[in-house]
Amino acid sequence: DVQMTQSPSSLSASVGDRVTITCRASQGSGNWIAWYQQKPDKAPKPLIYGVATLESGVTSRFSGTASGTDFTLTISSLQPEDFATYYCQQYHNYPPTFGQGTRLEI
Amino acid sequence: QEQLVESGGGVVQPGRSLRLSCAASGFTFIIHGFHWVRQAPGKGLEWVAGISYAGNDKKYADSVQGRFTVSRDNSRNMLDLQMNSLTIEDTAVYYCARDWMLKGPNIYYFDLWGRGSPVIVSS
Repeated sequence: DVQMTQSPSSLSASVGDRVTITCRASQGSGNWIAWYQQKPDKAPKPLIYGVATLESGVTSRFSGTASGTDFTLTISSLQPEDFATYYCQQYHNYPPTFGQGTRLEI
Repeated sequence: QEQLVESGGGVVQPGRSLRLSCAASGFTFIIHGFHWVRQAPGKGLEWVAGISYAGNDKKYADSVQGRFTVSRDNSRNMLDLQMNSLTIEDTAVYYCARDWMLKGPNIYYFDLWGRGSPVIVSS
């Protein structure tokens, strides 16, 4: 299985900060990378698919990029509603696998 | 409004069975594949099982292969997960999730999620 190593595991930030979360795939994942946001006791919310395509209704504060097997989620200017846990996922190789999550807190 | 609603979770003893269901509404059910994804308490996300839009292709994670069975009823817009021989390691919130692909092989990107159904396996 493809291992998705996500870093950092937790991150403290403030409103207005620019933050970056990274996932490294253990093998090539092409452009088949997604990012999800999860708030406590809620279902994951899809944010980005295909490395950089925003889901409908997702604010442009979120963006995704790729460099080889490294994938990055950037939040340009943190808002209070952005504090949550973020997961990357690869769906290029079977079975689909997730990163272990990054908890973004104030 | 597109929606998935899970039901059937609860507390069950090790070795017993449980059946989860997922009701879909607000979109065309028959053109999508579906999946079950679980999250153990305080842990990350784990894909469990998936079924194609036609229902003829079913796949399972190694951790549940031979114990779990995914099925769908297109006449009722329902997805099910039959879970047998449950172990403590199966304790998790189980999410129903829709595959992004339309009328094609599942691509395993999950673009719509239910709110989840908790399953607790305990003696």
